[in-house]
Amino acid sequence: QKEVEQDPGPLSVPEGAIVSLNCTYSNSAFQYFMWYRQYSRKGPELLMYTYSSGNKEDGRFTAQVDKSSKYISLFIRDSQPSDSATYLCAMSATGGTSYGKLTFGQGTILTVHP
Amino acid sequence: DSGVTQTPKHLITATGQRVTLRCSPRSGDLSVYWYQQSLDQGLQFLIHYYNGEERAKGNILERFSAQQFPDLHSELNLSSLELGDSALYFCASSVAEFYEQFFGPGTRLTVL
Repeated sequence: QKEVEQDPGPLSVPEGAIVSLNCTYSNSAFQYFMWYRQYSRKGPELLMYTYSSGNKEDGRFTAQVDKSSKYISLFIRDSQPSDSATYLCAMSATGGTSYGKLTFGQGTILTVHP
Repeated sequence: DSGVTQTPKHLITATGQRVTLRCSPRSGDLSVYWYQQSLDQGLQFLIHYYNGEERAKGNILERFSAQQFPDLHSELNLSSLELGDSALYFCASSVAEFYEQFFGPGTRLTVL
């Protein structure tokens, strides 16, 4: 079983829809949670970075972390065709031999159609 | 533009060969990470350097090695290349461990 599970989709939504992307994880040592957006053949772009549990909002994006359920989410409001990309969740643990190593989900392919 | 640069963008080589991938971190960042992205394995952590010192290793093959130089740029050396080494190789940098990691544009390696 992978440490981080992410539904690969693909997910197709109409422009303006609210998108919900999710990841579950098994390693309780994960404390830092990130969402990256990756356009085809490009480098991952950091969207959200959160520590421990709670919510964080940045423009149209909201990240939620529920450590008790080992579940994280990214919500995209008023989705645009330019949001079409692969979304990757990533996590890292503190202490031990982690030293900031990121563990990624498989990525969810999102298409927003006009 | 993340501020992380990687060269070359594309690399095509033959099995058994050796290649070097180069990464320049964002100005002020001391940590450099290398990741491999393939279709079947996704993004996998390879190795992390902090201010010239190796800090952590992932499932990096013995044929692969890396170093970080005094000017903080890093190189990933891949030797005795196999077809299965074909992948996208990304470098990321951060101020220090446990801070946000910013990724470069990647090097696409094709082994024929």
